[in-house]
Amino acid sequence: NAGVTQTPKFQVLKTGQSMTLQCAQDMNHEYMSWYRQDPGMGLRLIHYSVGAGITDQGEVPNGYNVSRSTTEDFPLRLLSAAPSQTSVYFCASKMGGTYNEQFFGPGTRLTVL
Amino acid sequence: GDSVTQMEGPVTLSEEAFLTINCTYTATGYPSLFWYVQYPGEGLQLLLKATKADDKGSNKGFEATYRKETTSFHLEKGSVQVSDSAVYFCALSDLGTGFQKLVFGTGTRLLVSP
Repeated sequence: NAGVTQTPKFQVLKTGQSMTLQCAQDMNHEYMSWYRQDPGMGLRLIHYSVGAGITDQGEVPNGYNVSRSTTEDFPLRLLSAAPSQTSVYFCASKMGGTYNEQFFGPGTRLTVL
Repeated sequence: GDSVTQMEGPVTLSEEAFLTINCTYTATGYPSLFWYVQYPGEGLQLLLKATKADDKGSNKGFEATYRKETTSFHLEKGSVQVSDSAVYFCALSDLGTGFQKLVFGTGTRLLVSP
């Protein structure tokens, strides 16, 4: 049981490049989400999904796309990277239901030059 | 909108000292409250939670009490260890939407020296 896994751990991009951050979970969780962590700002919700085929925007969705074709995977796509997207990105998952714990992945540190 | 305010760090303590990290919140409803811990190079882990007023969450010697009258959820530990060095995040979730959208504070770094 690997929990929530994220790849890559580190990535450097040039402005305008595109890439996909991968996230997978093996706990059969319904809910998955993406957060970004910036100094002095805590974590902010980018997008989330309550099940395969269902996604919705969080607090800071601009510049990011997501899809959820399977229960296990929830990739985050940067279509045209900008320096403002330099951050640490965390994927999280939880079972459906109100009080269940969210499980976080180890994070991807992204630098956009 | 909902928000969480934490004391700024770093908090520097000697081993076996008493720890308090302050957290206050603003919410329109009746949120659940959480403390998450992030060890170096790792993701966040749930440390403890409280789902209603006067609830006390506790885990690994840490505890926090949901105080509705002061809108606070301060984290305490009686005797810290070097292994407690980490960043601690206070968070809330208004569960009215059905999805646990977490609103985080900015985090407080704790450094414990031997």
